[in-house]
Amino acid sequence: AQTVTQSQPEMSVQEAETVTLSCTYDTSENNYYLFWYKQPPSRQMILVIRQEAYKQQNATENRFSVNFQKAAKSFSLKISDSQLGDTAMYFCAFMKRGDDKIIFGKGTRLHILP
Amino acid sequence: KAGVTQTPRYLIKTRGQQVTLSCSPISGHRSVSWYQQTPGQGLQFLFEYFSETQRNKGNFPGRFSGRQFSNSRSEMNVSTLELGDSALYLCASSGGTGEGETQYFGPGTRLLVL
Repeated sequence: AQTVTQSQPEMSVQEAETVTLSCTYDTSENNYYLFWYKQPPSRQMILVIRQEAYKQQNATENRFSVNFQKAAKSFSLKISDSQLGDTAMYFCAFMKRGDDKIIFGKGTRLHILP
Repeated sequence: KAGVTQTPRYLIKTRGQQVTLSCSPISGHRSVSWYQQTPGQGLQFLFEYFSETQRNKGNFPGRFSGRQFSNSRSEMNVSTLELGDSALYLCASSGGTGEGETQYFGPGTRLLVL
């Protein structure tokens, strides 16, 4: 069975700083996808970024980038130039290829301070 | 395109009752997945439907059931409600190919069982 672990329950950073959220996962699968989802206070789940495991290149989306270390089963999210609107719960998630079942970590609550 | 919609947004029920939640996917999406979110257990996968067939099921008791209609709309039903069923129920839709397609989430239905 796959598991996703987020070791930082809560973090706070000042606006405009860079912050890195950690995530590790465990799987025996070779083909899979990893995601970071954001859930602001509205509770709407929003995809931030996704990574295909077969791709060596780390995914980036504007201020968001990941550090994907397949051998170490590590998938961290870096947010550059953080903004107040980035305040949210962030979930790391795993999905096996050929499946539509997402396995989520417990989440990291991120506070961006003015 | 309209996003994923869920109705109702809020529900209050008493123990022993049953409840039906509805999810309308994004137009053209054929896969609908359901998740339960609680403070204690986090986000847990309930089940996934594709073309009216349940393709995948999480580890929930038989009181939790679902179905999908020919227009891809999905319903989930919880019978004999227990206090522990109080949660945010999220549905997500995707194309359903299993190729790591983005799952787009609805705003959720918040269920309170008294």
